[in-house]
Amino acid sequence: AQSVTQLGSHVSVSEGALVLLRCNYSSSVPPYLFWYVQYPNQGLQLLLKYTTGATLVKGINGFEAEFKKSETSFHLTKPSAHMSDAAEYFCAVRTTGANSKLTFGKGITLSVRP
Amino acid sequence: DAMVIQNPRYQVTQFGKPVTLSCSQTLNHNVMYWYQQKSSQAPKLLFHYYDKDFNNEADTPDNFQSRRPNTSFCFLDIRSPGLGDAAMYLCATGFRGVYNEQFFGPGTRLTVL
Repeated sequence: AQSVTQLGSHVSVSEGALVLLRCNYSSSVPPYLFWYVQYPNQGLQLLLKYTTGATLVKGINGFEAEFKKSETSFHLTKPSAHMSDAAEYFCAVRTTGANSKLTFGKGITLSVRP
Repeated sequence: DAMVIQNPRYQVTQFGKPVTLSCSQTLNHNVMYWYQQKSSQAPKLLFHYYDKDFNNEADTPDNFQSRRPNTSFCFLDIRSPGLGDAAMYLCATGFRGVYNEQFFGPGTRLTVL
């Protein structure tokens, strides 16, 4: 069975600082990995996804993530944080099979200090 | 714009009073999902439809039911809401297949008094 670990529940950075949100996965087969962002009282919005091919994936709003099979990681980064990046971030892995579904990590809250 | 729409955005019901949440989509996706998300937690899949085929998660309480009368609409029925059912309910859609992401609606926040 696939699973996702997001260590810590809260990350705080200064505006303009590097954002690094960690995600580790467990999967017995090649994983399909996703990062979603959720703003207060809203649904989830896809930031980026890794399926196959290039291991460095670029997403919306300046975010990117790198799939590292040897480390079973898919960390999310952004070079320079904006106030508007403050939100909840979820890493997810997609199971394989006919009834494929997403398994989410517990999420990380990102705060951005002025 | 193509999208996933959930109505209402906020719903208040009384303990034990049945409530229905609705989801519609203009994306023509063949899969529709319902998630429950409690405060500061990850979304938890309740069930999903692949076309008309209903797939219930093993730990979804019987109190939760769903209907999908056509491709565009899906409903979540809570037969007898308890205080523990207060949560955000998210509808998502997608095409079947592991490569395909899910598109989420804005959610309905349910309060049970």
